[in-house]
Amino acid sequence: KAGVTQTPRYLIKTRGQQVTLSCSPISGHRSVSWYQQTPGQGLQFLFEYFSETQRNKGNFPGRFSGRQFSNSRSEMNVSTLELGDSALYLCASSLAGYEGETQYFGPGTRLLVL
Amino acid sequence: SQQGEEDPQALSIQEGENATMNCSYKTSINNLQWYRQNSGRGLVHLILIRSNEREKHSGRLRVTLDTSKKSSSLLITASRAADTASYFCAQPGNQFYFGTGTSLTVIP
Repeated sequence: KAGVTQTPRYLIKTRGQQVTLSCSPISGHRSVSWYQQTPGQGLQFLFEYFSETQRNKGNFPGRFSGRQFSNSRSEMNVSTLELGDSALYLCASSLAGYEGETQYFGPGTRLLVL
Repeated sequence: SQQGEEDPQALSIQEGENATMNCSYKTSINNLQWYRQNSGRGLVHLILIRSNEREKHSGRLRVTLDTSKKSSSLLITASRAADTASYFCAQPGNQFYFGTGTSLTVIP
């Protein structure tokens, strides 16, 4: 079974631009979560989607948004990029997102904002 | 913040030695999970321990849980260079709360 894939793997943008990251979950998984990882803040939860609906949301500004498609693939978008948005963005999938389920992580997209 | 904390932040040991890292969390849990992250990569699930369990083993991994102290520890026995990674505890809830992580370096 193929693992979680994320595209692109690396991205360089400038302040003010917007970016869209993509995540394809493991086949059969319907829950997709997104995390931001930075050296200063560690791993922080962005949001979780299940069956095309945002089910949970972390404490991030509205510039961060996401969506999920009917095939469970998910995208996250960051508008008006700031230098502090430079981070490793990880997505994780699980069968249904129930507490205690193992999350399977993709390799991440490393975003650098100049 | 519900983010847990791990200590030590960094640990360097010789191959063959045991490595112990600790995690403290803030709220009551149904289970606690441990993940490993190789440098700049995604996280890999290692082990899950439920709140009614005190100890769990998986290969060279041993996890303990003390719910009265809201703490857990991960022991890696007979460490190998390939164990070099960052280790995180994760507290599931309506979202996953990851600890700050322990960076383990195993010197060959």
